[in-house]
Amino acid sequence: AQSVTQLGSHVSVSEGALVLLRCNYSSSVPPYLFWYVQYPNQGLQLLLKYTTGATLVKGINGFEAEFKKSETSFHLTKPSAHMSDAAEYFCAVSDQGTYKYIFGTGTRLKVLA
Amino acid sequence: EAGVVQSPRYKIIEKKQPVAFWCNPISGHNTLYWYLQNLGQGPELLIRYENEEAVDDSQLPKDRFSAERLKGVDSTLKIQPAELGDSAVYLCASSRAAGVPNEQFFGPGTRLTVL
Repeated sequence: AQSVTQLGSHVSVSEGALVLLRCNYSSSVPPYLFWYVQYPNQGLQLLLKYTTGATLVKGINGFEAEFKKSETSFHLTKPSAHMSDAAEYFCAVSDQGTYKYIFGTGTRLKVLA
Repeated sequence: EAGVVQSPRYKIIEKKQPVAFWCNPISGHNTLYWYLQNLGQGPELLIRYENEEAVDDSQLPKDRFSAERLKGVDSTLKIQPAELGDSAVYLCASSRAAGVPNEQFFGPGTRLTVL
């Protein structure tokens, strides 16, 4: 069965520093990949997604992610962290041809002033 | 465009009591999902509707959970009777039926506390 691993349940970065949140999936067949952000007491909001085509995907709020098939990874990055980026981030996968999302356990990002 | 609406936002009940959650999806979204999110975990799918039909309810604990989506718009998720372990956030999401993969739009959730 498909699974998603997010390394690091908590990540702290200084304001202005690089943000790197890690996501690995288990399928041998490239799935569809997503990153969602969840602010306190709010629902999940889509940051970006990979389906096919260009492996470097740009999303909202300056985030981007790169699909690396050889590493079965879809890490999320942002060059310069902002205080407003503090939230919980979820990676999700969906096998091609299905609508079922499998979510990772999430990474809580803390941005230090 | 209005987002996915859920109510109530918070609910505290005693164990063995019934509870119901309501969801109004984005207008025009035929697919509706209910997810369970435990503390420190990602959402897990409970049930998916295509219009009024439950097309995937394999993860719904049917002994105590039930759901309906009359007329293919609003949906209600019910727990009867609630147990202590049901304390969690219940998320509703919706998406357009056409196009794969379809982006799921999430509501703010209902935080349930069972005492």
